[in-house]
Amino acid sequence: SQQGEEDPQALSIQEGENATMNCSYKTSINNLQWYRQNSGRGLVHLILIRSNEREKHSGRLRVTLDTSKKSSSLLITASRAADTASYFCATDGIGANNLFFGTGTRLTVIP
Amino acid sequence: DADVTQTPRNRITKTGKRIMLECSQTKGHDRMYWYRQDPGLGLRLIYYSFDVKDINKGEISDGYSVSRQAQAKFSLSLESAIPNQTALYFCATSDSQGGGETQYFGPGTRLLVL
Repeated sequence: SQQGEEDPQALSIQEGENATMNCSYKTSINNLQWYRQNSGRGLVHLILIRSNEREKHSGRLRVTLDTSKKSSSLLITASRAADTASYFCATDGIGANNLFFGTGTRLTVIP
Repeated sequence: DADVTQTPRNRITKTGKRIMLECSQTKGHDRMYWYRQDPGLGLRLIYYSFDVKDINKGEISDGYSVSRQAQAKFSLSLESAIPNQTALYFCATSDSQGGGETQYFGPGTRLLVL
């Protein structure tokens, strides 16, 4: 399986701090995506980074990708209470027809 | 209106009953997916369909079946529900022409099998 694994499983920070979560995967990929899930709701796409990219920004989000280490990180800067959610990485493997989701990091931002 | 809708949103059923979960989308996407989510296990793919005549098994298809009635509709059936099928079920869509395979999720159906 090329399912990703997020680390840490849970993260609790104060509002205003930065949050970093990591994803590792097993096989070569076309791209890697990050999704957010508010409690019990559907996932929402945040950002996509292609295998030939090393870093990408979107608002307060910064994603890095290291294909040699098969890992990615998601940084949320200046966190807000509304960022409290679970965050999942998903990989689109070469030759695969669908995404493989990781197990998620549960982020709690304390006001 | 939401682009991807699921019905019902919550369902309680008994072991052995047949149930159907329905998904509709107005995004015009050709690809549709069914996932289940269990605590601590992330999302696991049950079935996916790339067009009306295409059905593919995912990671955990045993005990489930699907029907792609139209481009906009993809239903998931549990022929004989069992308690370990208690989970949160999500439908998702994607556009093969968009590149990158970004998926758009419905709000989920919470299923409890007694």
